[in-house]
Amino acid sequence: DSGVTQTPKHLITATGQRVTLRCSPRSGDLSVYWYQQSLDQGLQFLIQYYNGEERAKGNILERFSAQQFPDLHSELNLSSLELGDSALYFCASSDRQAQETQYFGPGTRLLVL
Amino acid sequence: AQTVTQSQPEMSVQEAETVTLSCTYDTSENNYYLFWYKQPPSRQMILVIRQEAYKQQNATENRFSVNFQKAAKSFSLKISDSQLGDTAMYFCAFTRLGGGSNYKLTFGKGTLLTVNP
Repeated sequence: DSGVTQTPKHLITATGQRVTLRCSPRSGDLSVYWYQQSLDQGLQFLIQYYNGEERAKGNILERFSAQQFPDLHSELNLSSLELGDSALYFCASSDRQAQETQYFGPGTRLLVL
Repeated sequence: AQTVTQSQPEMSVQEAETVTLSCTYDTSENNYYLFWYKQPPSRQMILVIRQEAYKQQNATENRFSVNFQKAAKSFSLKISDSQLGDTAMYFCAFTRLGGGSNYKLTFGKGTLLTVNP
């Protein structure tokens, strides 16, 4: 158990809908990263937050957004969902002393029908 | 931009034997970390081992060790005394350090390792 929690574990929804994925980092970690794992794209970095502020964006679609709250948990919002958004979404966290090493949550498996 | 290449999509090994997974990367950076993550059928991403580019000594974690060749930009993972629980997808990953780094991970496409009884 990495100490990073993600909810829900599974999510099934329809095209055009909006969903919210939640992540709680390890105790004391300030950085949260979101990754998408799909069969065709592999593991891709989406976005990073550090202590409530967005620090970096990767291959994140405009339909996707995220935020990190004062208690350091983070949410990834996916809207106008398409079939191709079906993937495993991971959250990872790292501490301020060793930001290079990330610990992953169990992931949320999203299926868009 | 950094790229990570894992040229072996699948490998298999007999239980108790040794296997080596290959990884090469391309970067113009000098300060970086390399990682191996394991993803078993449960889909959890588990950190196996990490190597700082500055350190010449190869990292070791129990049965797992790396062969880091900085000049060749090669970072292979050796698993000794393979166990059935080692069956998983293994991902090589890179992150750069230094000013302006956000520490995002760049992953290879993975190597599926099967340990046979």
